[in-house]
Amino acid sequence: DGGITQSPKYLFRKEGQNVTLSCEQNLNHDAMYWYRQDPGQGLRLIYYSQIVNDFQKGDIAEGYSVSREKKESFPLTVTSAQKNPTAFYLCASSAETGVTETQYFGPGTRLLVL
Amino acid sequence: QKEVEQNSGPLSVPEGAIASLNCTYSDRVSQSFFWYRQYSGKSPELIMSIYSNGDKEDGRFTAQLNKASQYVSLLIRDSQPSDSATYLCAVNVDTGRRALTFGSGTRLQVQP
Repeated sequence: DGGITQSPKYLFRKEGQNVTLSCEQNLNHDAMYWYRQDPGQGLRLIYYSQIVNDFQKGDIAEGYSVSREKKESFPLTVTSAQKNPTAFYLCASSAETGVTETQYFGPGTRLLVL
Repeated sequence: QKEVEQNSGPLSVPEGAIASLNCTYSDRVSQSFFWYRQYSGKSPELIMSIYSNGDKEDGRFTAQLNKASQYVSLLIRDSQPSDSATYLCAVNVDTGRRALTFGSGTRLQVQP
């Protein structure tokens, strides 16, 4: 089955700890995205990547880092510098054809701070 | 001013009625518009996309786009309790970035 997988479903972070959220897609999409969603709010863009080995900061990149070494993978690291990491993290991908930007989402990872 | 605005709701409609969800955006050069549905605790799923002025129908859903007035709407006919969810409007407000900007969503409640 084609799709986007995210792991783990739930992640607990201790103070001062870096944690990495996994995102994998087998849709052969060029572009991948990371969003953060807080309760009752919309999605805010953290980082995005339009091509392998290249990525750009979104609106709320501080305290996060990413890599894009493979087309199918776009992991997100939440560093200790992110002081309020509790949120629902969503990974998405798109085919980047023309002006259409249809994004498809993975199931999400819920990050909680211990 | 927010780039993509939606009324947070909740919008409550009786079963079988038409639900009308609205979204306004600030960037006149936006070209792509999307509606996503998000059930509580789940990730967003795409309902419809629209790129040209006018209406686009898909089953019980109709998306309406008016670029001159900078709004896009979603109509849900014959609303069902299973339609109860948060509906997110997304727009590509910055074509140079090729990423979507999302509204905060409208919560729809369909009363049986």
